[in-house]
Amino acid sequence: NAGVTQTPKFRVLKTGQSMTLLCAQDMNHEYMYWYRQDPGMGLRLIHYSVGEGTTAKGEVPDGYNVSRLKKQNFLLGLESAAPSQTSVYFCASRHLHNEQFFGPGTRLTVL
Amino acid sequence: AQKITQTQPGMFVQEKEAVTLDCTYDTSDPSYGLFWYKQPSSGEMIFLIYQGSYDQQNATEGRYSLNFQKARKSANLVISASQLGDSAMYFCAMRDIRRDDKIIFGKGTRLHILP
Repeated sequence: NAGVTQTPKFRVLKTGQSMTLLCAQDMNHEYMYWYRQDPGMGLRLIHYSVGEGTTAKGEVPDGYNVSRLKKQNFLLGLESAAPSQTSVYFCASRHLHNEQFFGPGTRLTVL
Repeated sequence: AQKITQTQPGMFVQEKEAVTLDCTYDTSDPSYGLFWYKQPSSGEMIFLIYQGSYDQQNATEGRYSLNFQKARKSANLVISASQLGDSAMYFCAMRDIRRDDKIIFGKGTRLHILP
C-alpha cells in the first residue's frame, strides 16, 4: 500500500497562474482533507470531503476549489495563484472512527 | 465555533524528564474527539494518541498519555521519560463529530529535548 500520495512534491508558480494538486489514497477511506501549513500558524483546514462527490469548506477556503469525483482522489485547485498561497499543502485521509493519515506534503511557491 | 489553543510556542526539556504539552479547546457540541500528532524536522505527520469525549479513561499509548479534563476543556499530552528523538513539533487537533467530521488543528508547540 502506498498510503496517501501527493503530486507534485514541489512547484513554483507565477502570480495569476493556475494549478491542481492531486491527493490519492489506496486505503478506501471515506474522509479526505486539504490543509495548508505556514510558520506559526499550524495546519489550517482548506476544504474537506466526507465521501465521493461531496466537498465542504474549511477554515480558509477562499482562492481554492476542490473536487472528489472518485473516492480515492481529492483534487485541490488554485485558479489564480497569489503570493499569499505560498505554503506547504498537506492532504490527509481517514476511515470513519480512526486517525488521519497524511501525505508527504507539497511545497508551493508563488512568485 | 470550534477552536484549539496551544499556548506554548516552544519548550526546552532535559532528556529523561517528563513533558506536558498544553492544549485547550472550545466547542459547544458534546460529541467530539481529540488527537495529538508529532511532526519531526523531516516534515511527516505522525499520529500519537486519540481521546473521545465520551471515553471514561484517559488515553495512553506507550510513553504518551493524554490528560483529559473535560470540564476544563483541556487535553494535555504527557510524554514520560523524554528522549532526544522526541524533539519535534507537536499538534493538538479536534474532530467535530456533528459537523461532518471537520478536523482542525492548533498552532503547535515546538519541543526541544536537551542532552
